[in-house]
Amino acid sequence: DIQMTQSPPSLSASVGDRVTITCRASQSISSYLNWYQQKPGKAPKLLIYAASTLQRGVPSRFSGSGSGTDFTLTITSLQPEDFATYHCQQSYSLPRTFGQGTRVDIK
Amino acid sequence: QVQLVQSGAEMKKPGASVKVSCKASGYTFNTHAIHWLRQAPGQRLEWMGWSDVGNGNTKYSQKFQGRVTITRDTSASTAYMELSSLRSEDTAVYYCAREYITNVGQLKIGVHGMDVWGQGTTVTVSS
Repeated sequence: DIQMTQSPPSLSASVGDRVTITCRASQSISSYLNWYQQKPGKAPKLLIYAASTLQRGVPSRFSGSGSGTDFTLTITSLQPEDFATYHCQQSYSLPRTFGQGTRVDIK
Repeated sequence: QVQLVQSGAEMKKPGASVKVSCKASGYTFNTHAIHWLRQAPGQRLEWMGWSDVGNGNTKYSQKFQGRVTITRDTSASTAYMELSSLRSEDTAVYYCAREYITNVGQLKIGVHGMDVWGQGTTVTVSS
């Protein structure tokens, strides 16, 4: 199975800050890396697929990059509605696997 | 609109089974795979298995092999996940999610990610 490791596990930030979350796969997954946002009591919501493609309706302050084993999610100018947990997930092979999540809360 | 609607919360005793349904609407059911995942309190999202809805093939996580059964009823556009021999550690929120699959050799690649999720079903296992 492909192991996904996210960092940091949590971070505190202020509205307007730039936030970067990283995700590393245990083997190459090409660009088949997705990012999800999850708010308490809700299902995950797809933000970015194929490492860097924004899902329809997702604000452009979200961006993704990377390929192979190392990936990054960046949120420029953090907004109040962005405080949530973010998950990376590989869709290269079965079983699908997720990172442990990064909780972004208010400083 | 495209949506997946899951059945309601369940409370079960240890050793029992639970069956969760996931009804699809707004798209042609057999064009996408359905994954089943769960999230225990404070834990990461965990993949349990999937149904290749178009041909009925399934694959399960080794962790749940022998305890989980995923089926689908194409006439009802509904997928099901049954988990047996429940224990307290199975207390979690269970999700279904759809994914468009591209076959590349032996690989089942999800180029577009899991783009639609059910609302989640809380399963509580307690004596």
